[in-house]
Amino acid sequence: QQQVKQSPQSLIVQKGGISIINCAYENTAFDYFPWYQQFPGKGPALLIAIRPDVSEKKEGRFTISFNKSAKQFSLHIMDSQPGDSATYFCAASMEGGSEKLVFGKGTKLTVNP
Amino acid sequence: NAGVMQNPRHLVRRRGQEARLRCSPMKGHSHVYWYRQLPEEGLKFMVYLQKENIIDESGMPKERFSAEFPKEGPSILRIQQVVRGDSAAYFCASSPQGQNYEQYFGPGTRLTVT
Repeated sequence: QQQVKQSPQSLIVQKGGISIINCAYENTAFDYFPWYQQFPGKGPALLIAIRPDVSEKKEGRFTISFNKSAKQFSLHIMDSQPGDSATYFCAASMEGGSEKLVFGKGTKLTVNP
Repeated sequence: NAGVMQNPRHLVRRRGQEARLRCSPMKGHSHVYWYRQLPEEGLKFMVYLQKENIIDESGMPKERFSAEFPKEGPSILRIQQVVRGDSAAYFCASSPQGQNYEQYFGPGTRLTVT
């Protein structure tokens, strides 16, 4: 049973465009939702994270939007750059559950120059 | 300001051999998580350890896999009698005391079983 569903599987965006990646979760006990960026051959790097008591969090060109009632959250990358080309993973965890991360399957983003 | 360190970065083993993967957490971090990533898949939790204690091993296969985090030295993920299906990237993450949510990942060990 996949607890965090991520879409799309791959995404191609032109330089300067907006990249949008969506995730949906099932377990309402989740209370922490991070996004990770992974380049080929590297480990995932924590990009930005949100808790369900806020609906949006912005850090530079990266924004997380969170919809608690729909159990969905998304990552928006504004002014996408070729250097943003990577695989992005959403994840979820819950307090008291060892805080282990449950990951989506990933979105491979390609930003064309 | 070293990050999470893992070694070896690449490991090739023949079927039936043992694989030992090492992880040194970030300085000041006392919690270690191991995750496995299969090709084209997200990461899957395996085990969570604190010094000298296994806290949660709900993601570990019941046989052949074990993990430890001794008082001194790195955390070790051990896979005995490896099979082809064990071929994957194994990532270690560490977090500081009281902030388990913020997990920082190492570069991974890519295990290939021939």
